[in-house]
Amino acid sequence: EDQVTQSPEALRLQEGESSSLNCSYTVSGLRGLFWYRQDPGKGPEFLFTLYSAGEEKEKERLKATLTKKESFLHITAPKPEDSATYLCAVLVTGNQFYFGTGTSLTVIP
Amino acid sequence: NAGVTQTPKFQVLKTGQSMTLQCAQDMNHEYMSWYRQDPGMGLRLIHYSVGAGITDQGEVPNGYNVSRSTTEDFPLRLLSAAPSQTSVYFCASSSFGATNEKLFFGSGTQLSVL
Repeated sequence: EDQVTQSPEALRLQEGESSSLNCSYTVSGLRGLFWYRQDPGKGPEFLFTLYSAGEEKEKERLKATLTKKESFLHITAPKPEDSATYLCAVLVTGNQFYFGTGTSLTVIP
Repeated sequence: NAGVTQTPKFQVLKTGQSMTLQCAQDMNHEYMSWYRQDPGMGLRLIHYSVGAGITDQGEVPNGYNVSRSTTEDFPLRLLSAAPSQTSVYFCASSSFGATNEKLFFGSGTQLSVL
């Protein structure tokens, strides 16, 4: 059964305190791994797509990496505006996306 | 730049009532899908479509119907609403290309079934 697990469920950081979010997956036929950001009351917003182990993508204070079994979203020197829920999803053969339950990040000024 | 448009934003139903959640996209995307989001459960796929006239079931299809008569529209029908269908519903679309398979989401519909 295809499965996506995110950890931790919630994370509180001081402004400037770097950390990482984890997304582990057990799927057959991985076509891509995606990271999204979701603010309260809004739809998820696309951040990154990773397709193969060893791939990395960066955007401002965020960097996503991918191995054969997991992905990390590294947040460097976070700011309060980075507070949101971060979702990981995998696209598998059969055109289905499977989402993890997300990590709720709070950055304290 | 409308993107994916969902209506209504909020809806309250009584058990047994039926309704249709509307979803439209203006990006000429082949792929459209419906998710529900519940606390602690994440986003779960209800139904999806890879083109006009083609639909398929996702993880949690029971109690929901879809159809895809045009590329732009993908309505979700609740045939007889139940309290278990209280949730936030998101429509999402994608252009399935070589490296462009990301989902674009609507702003969601918050549904309460009493």
